Amino acid sequence: TQLLEQSPQFLSIQEGENLTVYCNSSSVFSSLQWYRQEPGEGPVLLVTVVTGGEVKKLKRLTFQFGDARKDSSLHITAAQPGDTGLYLCAGASQAGGFKTIFGAGTRLFVKA
Amino acid sequence: DTGVSQDPRHKITKRGQNVTFRCDPISEHNRLYWYRQTLGQGPEFLTYFQNEAQLEKSRLLSDRFSAERPKGSFSTLEIQRTEQGDSAMYLCASSLAGTGSIGYTFGSGTRLTVV
Repeated sequence: TQLLEQSPQFLSIQEGENLTVYCNSSSVFSSLQWYRQEPGEGPVLLVTVVTGGEVKKLKRLTFQFGDARKDSSLHITAAQPGDTGLYLCAGASQAGGFKTIFGAGTRLFVKA
Repeated sequence: DTGVSQDPRHKITKRGQNVTFRCDPISEHNRLYWYRQTLGQGPEFLTYFQNEAQLEKSRLLSDRFSAERPKGSFSTLEIQRTEQGDSAMYLCASSLAGTGSIGYTFGSGTRLTVV
């Protein structure tokens, strides 16, 4: 069974601080996605990484895919209250029939 | 295109009643997925369709659950004889075949509360 473990589960920080959240698995994925979800809404895709070692930047967000394609990280620089939300990593693999499985998420709260 | 639409947004039902949810995917997307999300958890896969064919169902999908996509466009998810454990957010997503590993477009979900 493929699993994606996210850490930390919950993070509360002050505006302006930096943070990193992690997504780990013992399985190899063909791609990893990061989504952000706000209360009462569906997840919204932020980025997809497909190549081991790949780094993608989206404004203040930096996403990295591990060399072995088993893990990923999301780094946020100078967090803002608007970054508050549930960050979900999700992975797709051939072994899983290419359906996407999700981690339990990291709930981020940025205080003004 | 208005994205993925789900209806209703909220549903409160009494235990034992049947409920049906609808999902309208992005029109050019031929794959449609149903997920369930409970509080504090990530979405869990339930089932998916390519066009009108239901290609995979999770073991989470008991006999009380049935999903259809009769014309390869919208889909319905029916839960018969609801139980309190069915209370969750039911999410629908869509993608083009072959691009699902790049990411899905999700709807806003239907929150079901069984009382």
